[in-house]
Amino acid sequence: EVQLVESGGDLVQPGGSLRLSCEASGFTFSSYGMNWVRQAPGKGLEWVSHITSSGTIHHADFVKGRFTISRDNAKNSLYLQMNSLTDEDTAVYYCARAASSSLNCFENWGQGTQVTVSS
Amino acid sequence: EIVLTQSPGFQSVTPKEKVTITCRASQSIGNSLHWYQQKPYQSPKLLIKYASQSFSGVPSRFSGSGYGTDFTLTINSLEVEDAATYYCHQSSSLPWTFGQGTKVEIK
Repeated sequence: EVQLVESGGDLVQPGGSLRLSCEASGFTFSSYGMNWVRQAPGKGLEWVSHITSSGTIHHADFVKGRFTISRDNAKNSLYLQMNSLTDEDTAVYYCARAASSSLNCFENWGQGTQVTVSS
Repeated sequence: EIVLTQSPGFQSVTPKEKVTITCRASQSIGNSLHWYQQKPYQSPKLLIKYASQSFSGVPSRFSGSGYGTDFTLTINSLEVEDAATYYCHQSSSLPWTFGQGTKVEIK
């Protein structure tokens, strides 16, 4: 069974940093593209970042160099380093697995981790 | 950026009714359109991938169609457990985008 477990969400002050983690199990992690998707309170879904199985990275424009996605295949883990956080980054952040290395629908999702940016 | 526009934004439906949700893309995306269901306080779940392919384990009352710019999610014979918000998502070109969501309420 595919499992994705996010962690690292917290309350942080504006301008602060956080590192989110997603631990994967139940599949060959290194073979799949992975994503971060977020959802602000009462709002819809918003794609944040993608990393392919080979390590190619794509970010949404609003990231503006503040966030970095990475992966450690040896640890079956996905990360999102978030810097220069603003209140607009307050959201639940989901880790989502792509269908394959080249098919980019989100077949599996974690339970999410809450990031709150507030002074 | 490709904009996805869903309609309606909200629908109140009686059980066993048929539900149709549309998603229109601002430019052609082929069949790279996917549908998700999100129930309150839960993570989204994939229902339909690549416009019309049902994801494993999804009840057969859910179906999808469309190509290019116009897509439809159909729920035949709505059940109480289908109360949720439904989102479309395109993976044709970066940045990947979602529709704004359609909330389906049970009357």
